[in-house]
Amino acid sequence: GQNIDQPTEMTATEGAIVQINCTYQTSGFNGLFWYQQHAGEAPTFLSYNVLDGLEEKGRFSSFLSRSKGYSYLLLKELQMKDSASYLCAVRDAGSGTYKYIFGTGTRLKVLA
Amino acid sequence: DTEVTQTPKHLVMGMTNKKSLKCEQHMGHRAMYWYKQKAKKPPELMFVYSYEKLSINESVPSRFSPECPNSSLLNLHLHALQPEDSALYLCASSQTVATNEKLFFGSGTQLSVL
Repeated sequence: GQNIDQPTEMTATEGAIVQINCTYQTSGFNGLFWYQQHAGEAPTFLSYNVLDGLEEKGRFSSFLSRSKGYSYLLLKELQMKDSASYLCAVRDAGSGTYKYIFGTGTRLKVLA
Repeated sequence: DTEVTQTPKHLVMGMTNKKSLKCEQHMGHRAMYWYKQKAKKPPELMFVYSYEKLSINESVPSRFSPECPNSSLLNLHLHALQPEDSALYLCASSQTVATNEKLFFGSGTQLSVL
């Protein structure tokens, strides 16, 4: 089956660094995506990994280990506007066609 | 133009009504998706269209009927919905189903079924 897990909630302070973890079990892994979603709004793309290692994009970095079924999103220099839900999504080809399957999501609160 | 446009933004309907949600993109994407999202939950895949043909139906009840009239448009026809169908309905698109790239999401339709 398919299983993508994230912590439900995290709290951090403005200016700090936070790491949001994602573990997955899928039958046909084909890439992992991170999205940010503010309440009532559409998810917006943050980062993408298909090979092992770290991808850096400004204040956001994402890491992938395919052998461990593990990824994390690292947010640096946290700002109040970073308070949102962060969704890990796996592109899976296990059923014979490609699907984007979303994890449980992590609600991040940034405190002043 | 990198937008996916969804209308209406909000919809309230009774259980006997028939309504439609609309989604449009002009990025030349040939894969389009419907997701359902309940409050504080992740988006759940409902349907995938590839080159205007339905390629995935995630066992969605028949009261939801998707339609892809052309490569830019995606509709979701609603009939005899239940209160538990109240949710945010998100449309998304990507280059093709086989291309490994991000999804572009619309801002969603917030649906309330009374």
